[in-house]
Amino acid sequence: KQEVTQIPAALSVPEGENLVLNCSFTDSAIYNLQWFRQDPGKGLTSLLLIQSSQREQTSGRLNASLDKSSGRSTLYIAASQPGDSATYLCAVEEGQAGTALSFGKGTTLSVSS
Amino acid sequence: DAGVTQSPTHLIKTRGQQVTLRCSPKSGHDTVSWYQQALGQGPQFIFQYYEEEERQRGNFPDRFSGHQFPNYSSELNVNALLLGDSALYLCASSFMTGAIPLHFGNGTRLTVT
Repeated sequence: KQEVTQIPAALSVPEGENLVLNCSFTDSAIYNLQWFRQDPGKGLTSLLLIQSSQREQTSGRLNASLDKSSGRSTLYIAASQPGDSATYLCAVEEGQAGTALSFGKGTTLSVSS
Repeated sequence: DAGVTQSPTHLIKTRGQQVTLRCSPKSGHDTVSWYQQALGQGPQFIFQYYEEEERQRGNFPDRFSGHQFPNYSSELNVNALLLGDSALYLCASSFMTGAIPLHFGNGTRLTVT
């Protein structure tokens, strides 16, 4: 059974800092890995998706990397802003596309101005 | 272009009652997945529907059932509600052929008293 772990569980930083969120998974035979953002009481917004053949993806101030062999992914956020405050969830998809996602518990980020 | 829509947004039920939650997928999507997210946890996969059939199921009891209609919309039914069923229920849509990433709705907050 795939286990997804996210460290740290919570993080507080001042505006402008660069930060790294970590995700690890136990079974490296994944199809893809996806990072989501969740605002309180809301649904999930997809931020970045890395397919198994890729090593990283970038979108604006966000960069996600994937190391399948070690079962790790990192989400790098540059020049953090108060609007980045949210919970960030990592999810892996095993097997062929269209299978269920296994999620971590998330990292709750608070950026102060 | 409407995204994934869920109804109702909030619901309060009593133990032992039955509940039906509804989801309309993003335009053009043919596959609907349901997830349960307890407070402080990552979403847990309940089941996935494609071509009006349940294609995959997570580790949830038979009290949880679903349906997909010809227009691709879906319902999640939960019978004999328990206090532990209190959670945010999220619907996600996609293409069965694996068009990713998943698109999530804002969820239905179910409280069982």
